[in-house]
Amino acid sequence: EVQLVESGGGLVQPGGSLRLSCAVSGFTFSSYSMNWVRQAPGKGLEWVSYISSSSSTIYYADSVKGRFTISRDNAKNSLYLQMNSLRAEDTAVYYCARYAYGDPSAYFDLWGRGTLVTVSS
Amino acid sequence: EIVMTQSPATLSVSPGERATLSCRASQSVSSNLAWYQQKPGQAPRLLIYGASTRATGIPARFSGSRSGTEFTLTISSLQSEDFAVYYCQQYNNWPPAFGGGTKVEIK
Repeated sequence: EVQLVESGGGLVQPGGSLRLSCAVSGFTFSSYSMNWVRQAPGKGLEWVSYISSSSSTIYYADSVKGRFTISRDNAKNSLYLQMNSLRAEDTAVYYCARYAYGDPSAYFDLWGRGTLVTVSS
Repeated sequence: EIVMTQSPATLSVSPGERATLSCRASQSVSSNLAWYQQKPGQAPRLLIYGASTRATGIPARFSGSRSGTEFTLTISSLQSEDFAVYYCQQYNNWPPAFGGGTKVEIK
């Protein structure tokens, strides 16, 4: 079965760190570019970060640049998001999402169920 | 950056009726426009890409169209499972950008 399963979310204090993971199965992970997309409670979708299939190209939204780091391990079929210096406005469900093709801007053809990150004291 | 504007924010429709959702881009995105459906507590699901191509497994009652920078998602006869929030997304330019969503609710 083709699926993406996120983990690692939770409650963290402002200024703290979390590392999200996305475990992939059912397709050749190393062939696809991947992304993190987030959704604040009751709000719309916001693209967060992109990584190409070989990790050679990485992009971030301005709102997280310098604080978040995306990475992947193709041998482990896993995608990661290291989140540092967390702020209240980072509170959201974080989705792992597959790009339909490799370009830095494409549509998302497969999504995980998401993991909730809550930043609060 | 391209801004995507969806209207209306909420659409009240009776089961069996047609629903028409709009999405406008702040500049040309060609036909590089996707639509997603999201139900409460679930991840978004791809419905349409290329402005008018249905994704695998999407019923024919969902259709998409384009007129310049205006895009429309039409659900020809609403079923109970179609009540959800719908998002458009442009992927012509980086960064990819979503609209604010349209909630389709039961009238």
